[in-house]
Amino acid sequence: DAGVTQSPTHLIKTRGQQVTLRCSPISGHKSVSWYQQVLGQGPQFIFQYYEKEERGRGNFPDRFSARQFPNYSSELNVNALLLGDSALYLCASSLAGSLAQETQYFGPGTRLLVL
Amino acid sequence: AQKITQTQPGMFVQEKEAVTLDCTYDTSDPSYGLFWYKQPSSGEMIFLIYQGSYDQQNATEGRYSLNFQKARKSANLVISASQLGDSAMYFCAMREGNTNAGKSTFGDGTTLTVKP
Repeated sequence: DAGVTQSPTHLIKTRGQQVTLRCSPISGHKSVSWYQQVLGQGPQFIFQYYEKEERGRGNFPDRFSARQFPNYSSELNVNALLLGDSALYLCASSLAGSLAQETQYFGPGTRLLVL
Repeated sequence: AQKITQTQPGMFVQEKEAVTLDCTYDTSDPSYGLFWYKQPSSGEMIFLIYQGSYDQQNATEGRYSLNFQKARKSANLVISASQLGDSAMYFCAMREGNTNAGKSTFGDGTTLTVKP
């Protein structure tokens, strides 16, 4: 079975531009969460979506937005890019994301570089 | 307050020996899950092992075991018979309660280097 997939793998943008990152969860998983991982730190939670609804949001500015589609895939959008947005963006899927005991499985990530 | 603390930025271990990576956590929620992930240089976060707050026994998965001490709020990862391929960054993570279940909180990680 395919794991979590993300596209693109790498991206280079300039300050002020907008970017869209994509994620497809494991088949049968309905919850998708997004994380930002800056070099040398652990991942930071950005969003969780379940059944197309936002279920949780981390401490990120409104420049960050996301959505989930009927097939449970998800997009993360970042507007007005700043140099500090350079990071590895990880997508994680889980069955329902409603229990603390559920395991989240991560994709390979998208490396975003903002110049 | 830091919810997940990993106090060892870097660890070295000789091939075939065992190593313990430390993790302490802080939560007031009685229902939580603790997870360990491995992150090689490629960046993908690989799930290793899970321990639930209500589990009576320590979790084991192959060469990985979790030393869960609830009263001390610690969840250390033990890797037995280390292999060169174990060299990577290791993260401890926690998910609390059922309302925040989609959010994992991570520590800052421990870089493990296995020496031949």
